[in-house]
Amino acid sequence: AQSVTQPDIHITVSEGASLELRCNYSYGATPYLFWYVQSPGQGLQLLLKYFSGDTLVQGIKGFEAEFKRSQSSFNLRKPSVHWSDAAEYFCAVNNNNDMRFGAGTRLTVKP
Amino acid sequence: DSGVTQTPKHLITATGQRVTLRCSPRSGDLSVYWYQQSLDQGLQFLIQYYNGEERAKGNILERFSAQQFPDLHSELNLSSLELGDSALYFCASSVAGGKGETQYFGPGTRLLVL
Repeated sequence: AQSVTQPDIHITVSEGASLELRCNYSYGATPYLFWYVQSPGQGLQLLLKYFSGDTLVQGIKGFEAEFKRSQSSFNLRKPSVHWSDAAEYFCAVNNNNDMRFGAGTRLTVKP
Repeated sequence: DSGVTQTPKHLITATGQRVTLRCSPRSGDLSVYWYQQSLDQGLQFLIQYYNGEERAKGNILERFSAQQFPDLHSELNLSSLELGDSALYFCASSVAGGKGETQYFGPGTRLLVL
């Protein structure tokens, strides 16, 4: 069965530092992959998605993600984190319209 | 603002009761999804509708049911409520329900079962 693993429950970075959030998926074919962000008390917002083409995907708010088939990974990156990026980040995979989410990674940004 | 609305924002009820959560999709979106977010289970897909018809089903309990009406709004019915049903319930919508489409999430309904 397909699954998504986010190994890091909580990450703290300093404002201005780079960020990488990890995501691994378990699925036979190339899945439809997504990164969503959830700010406190709010719904989820799509940052970016991948299902074919260039393996480096650009998203909103300066985020990007790279699909690596050999590692079954879809890690999210940002070169310089802003205090407003503090939120929970979810990786997700969609197969046959059954969207599976990872457990999420909570990002704290230090001033 | 995603354009997806959900009512009510908060709901407090007792075990054994039945509640109805309502969702209005973004204008023009034909597909609606329901998700449950809880501390122990995380974010789980429940069910998807497209233009009034059920399209996909996830981890939805038999005590739960949903429907999508001709005006495309959707309702999620939760019955015989248990303490463990306390969670945040999200509705999302997309244009045509394809698996590569962006889903736009509503703000959620927080359900507390006492």
